[in-house]
Amino acid sequence: DAKTTQPTSMDCAEGRAANLPCNHSTISGNEYVYWYRQIHSQGPQYIIHGLKNNETNEMASLIITEDRKSSTLILPHATLRDTAVYYCIDRNSGNTPLVFGKGTRLSVIA
Amino acid sequence: EPEVTQTPSHQVTQMGQEVILRCVPISNHLYFYWYRQILGQKVEFLVSFYNNEISEKSEIFDDQFSVERPDGSNFTLKIRSTKLEDSAMYFCASSGTLGTTGNTIYFGEGSWLTVV
Repeated sequence: DAKTTQPTSMDCAEGRAANLPCNHSTISGNEYVYWYRQIHSQGPQYIIHGLKNNETNEMASLIITEDRKSSTLILPHATLRDTAVYYCIDRNSGNTPLVFGKGTRLSVIA
Repeated sequence: EPEVTQTPSHQVTQMGQEVILRCVPISNHLYFYWYRQILGQKVEFLVSFYNNEISEKSEIFDDQFSVERPDGSNFTLKIRSTKLEDSAMYFCASSGTLGTTGNTIYFGEGSWLTVV
């Protein structure tokens, strides 16, 4: 079963920042925080991952608290195409499988 | 950008028939995975494959399932005798490049299997 907890759903106005929270209450020292999303039954799409430091790429920013018990994925300017289910996943540094939970369904509203 | 490709995109089969789903992982990846997603449910791990053998499998991956890497590029999932409850989207994925620490898993677009 998934180890993380996320809100079931969130809304965000188009053009505004979407901030998606995740709790990692049982994350261990060698586990990374991964974020994926799934747009309407397409294959899960990798977004970003991090260990301790905040990370940013062309898609999003990832903020990880100092104790690593929570993280926030930030989509800085949400568009309608960002409507999807977003998953946060704890995963160790090896090539272990991802374990998906139910994620957060983000609806971006015009 | 390199991607995982899957065929067929959609297959309809009769109960009891054998089905083979095909995947071409990203070319320099070493680890391969199959996941499934029953309509309306979460994405579930089935099996991972490395160095020509299964490295990990879930309870779902029972004796009716098998995986194979028949050549240097393809990775297949075979379902021996399909059941109605095998109807799902099946996702192939790959990760892991020799000589690097990168192990992000990348997914294909899926093969939708309908068993009638």
